[in-house]
Amino acid sequence: QKEVEQDPGPLSVPEGAIVSLNCTYSNSAFQYFMWYRQYSRKGPELLMYTYSSGNKEDGRFTAQVDKSSKYISLFIRDSQPSDSATYLCAMSANNNNDMRFGAGTRLTVKP
Amino acid sequence: DTAVSQTPKYLVTQMGNDKSIKCEQNLGHDTMYWYKQDSKKFLKIMFSYNNKELIINETVPNRFSPKSPDKAHLNLHINSLELGDSAVYFCASSQEGGGRGYTFGSGTRLTVV
Repeated sequence: QKEVEQDPGPLSVPEGAIVSLNCTYSNSAFQYFMWYRQYSRKGPELLMYTYSSGNKEDGRFTAQVDKSSKYISLFIRDSQPSDSATYLCAMSANNNNDMRFGAGTRLTVKP
Repeated sequence: DTAVSQTPKYLVTQMGNDKSIKCEQNLGHDTMYWYKQDSKKFLKIMFSYNNKELIINETVPNRFSPKSPDKAHLNLHINSLELGDSAVYFCASSQEGGGRGYTFGSGTRLTVV
């Protein structure tokens, strides 16, 4: 079992839809959780980070962490074609410079 | 100003050659990383340096050698290149252990023929 599991998709939604992206993990020591967006032929770009459990909202994006279930989610409201990208979850334990990434979910938002 | 810059952006080379990829960050971060992204987009850490000191060295062939002349630079040297080394290599940097996220460069697409 991989440390971080993420469905690679692809996921295709119509413009305006609510998108739900998810990751599960096996290492209960993970405390720092991040979501990155990666456009084609670009480097990953940090979208959001959270510490421990709970929710965090930033504009159209909401990140949720459920440590009891070892499950994290990213919701995108009112999705736009410009949201089309690969979304990677990432997590680390103890702020120790050792980030583990999911495989990424490829999202396409159709106009 | 580019925060994390890598050069070259593209690198095509023959098997058996030795090549280097350079990385520089102007964010004042104290930790830098090299990641390898394969064709399935999976990002795997290779090395991590904190203030010029190696702190993470994953199971990477010893043909790969990182060098950090100062905390703003982390270069990657690859000897005796193999076909399986073809991938996109990303440099990244972070502050405070990385818990608030990394800043990535735009990547170096290495193709070994």
